[in-house]
Amino acid sequence: QVQLEESGPGLVKPPQTLSLTCTVSGDSVISDSYYWSWIRKPAGKGLEWIGRVYTSGSTSYNPFLKSRATISMAPSKNQFSLEMTSVTAADTAVYYCARSDISVSWFFDFWGPGTLVTVSS
Amino acid sequence: QSALTQPASVSGSPGQSITISCSGTNADIGAYDYVSWYQTHPGKAPKVMIYDVRKRPSGVSIRFSGSKAVNTASLTISGLHPEDEGDYYCSSYTTSNTWVFGGGTKLTVL
Repeated sequence: QVQLEESGPGLVKPPQTLSLTCTVSGDSVISDSYYWSWIRKPAGKGLEWIGRVYTSGSTSYNPFLKSRATISMAPSKNQFSLEMTSVTAADTAVYYCARSDISVSWFFDFWGPGTLVTVSS
Repeated sequence: QSALTQPASVSGSPGQSITISCSGTNADIGAYDYVSWYQTHPGKAPKVMIYDVRKRPSGVSIRFSGSKAVNTASLTISGLHPEDEGDYYCSSYTTSNTWVFGGGTKLTVL
């Protein structure tokens, strides 16, 4: 059974960079069957897809984030990461990492438990 | 990409049926049959309840069903149980090779 777990600082000062890591167990991040995504949920708002990475290194992002997000892989650690620059209070949210098995379809079948990131000076 | 449109809240009594709608455009819901629905509870990972409009993952109750008509998808829960209470989000893959979510619907079981 695949498991994902987010880690990183719970508090970030504006306008610094938010950095989170997702550690995957039970499967390989370099499998060509999976996309690995970051998704967030601000308090009182809905889920928002941030972006995804594939084994080839290809990425895709939510255009609303205006190029502030970068997602990368660390295959030797079986991890993938999110960096988001110039954060503001609006980036305060629970951040989730999730997997899509693209050999099956286009949805998120496994999620991490989420990690709360607060942006505040 | 704009969020998909869901009602903020729905409610029903145990044993009743409810339906949550999810409206999009021909660039997302209307483009593919890649609509999925997620149940969330505070402090827990979201759980997929429906994918590909109407398919149920292993272990999800047959009381959950999905459908789609043009640019609007729907999630129906029949025979409501108290444990069905929570927030539900729809999602769709888009023609831009991205995903978009709905704003979420709070289900209250009275």
